[in-house]
Amino acid sequence: NAGVTQTPKFRILKIGQSMTLQCTQDMNHNYMYWYRQDPGMGLKLIYYSVGAGITDKGEVPNGYNVSRSTTEDFPLRLELAAPSQTSVYFCASRTRLAGSETQYFGPGTRLLVL
Amino acid sequence: QKEVEQNSGPLSVPEGAIASLNCTYSDRGSQSFFWYRQYSGKSPELIMFIYSNGDKEDGRFTAQLNKASQYVSLLIRDSQPSDSATYLCAVLGSARQLTFGSGTQLTVLP
Repeated sequence: NAGVTQTPKFRILKIGQSMTLQCTQDMNHNYMYWYRQDPGMGLKLIYYSVGAGITDKGEVPNGYNVSRSTTEDFPLRLELAAPSQTSVYFCASRTRLAGSETQYFGPGTRLLVL
Repeated sequence: QKEVEQNSGPLSVPEGAIASLNCTYSDRGSQSFFWYRQYSGKSPELIMFIYSNGDKEDGRFTAQLNKASQYVSLLIRDSQPSDSATYLCAVLGSARQLTFGSGTQLTVLP
């Protein structure tokens, strides 16, 4: 998980509460992504960013918001938490230089909404 | 139709055999294709990427891409018990979104 940090590692929220999941990378990667992974499933794209100031919706954006004011930070905001948002959240960054791909995933944030 | 589809699995192979994992995608504008390994409770790790039609080899791993058929595969030669994991396929779409399949769980039996 070198280069991408996520906080917190684990959080319990009550229904209706809000929180921000933090993601920071120090590799100057332009592309950043937020995913959620439910047990036994693949990763579903929530939001992504191709550079500072630019964000786009993924497959499952409802109930979430993001911002990308700097290249390094890409926080994910959950408003009015619901039990359906119980999941593991991964942040990732990527770059492609000279035909070679570099990608890193953070260690994940486990969220439980009760 | 899901954007990225993988063999539902699970897949079991004996140690030393070739494991074959398959993936299809729907966005014809996709240009970059990736394979990841994810151990239980851990984050995904990029193991192969491929941009052009044909084969790309890296050690025991070979990625194969056929854009006309919208098909990408991963072969693992001389499979080891340590290769037991979930393998995820992902596609970089025309809008630069990185979309994953649901994954295939591989077990290599000693």
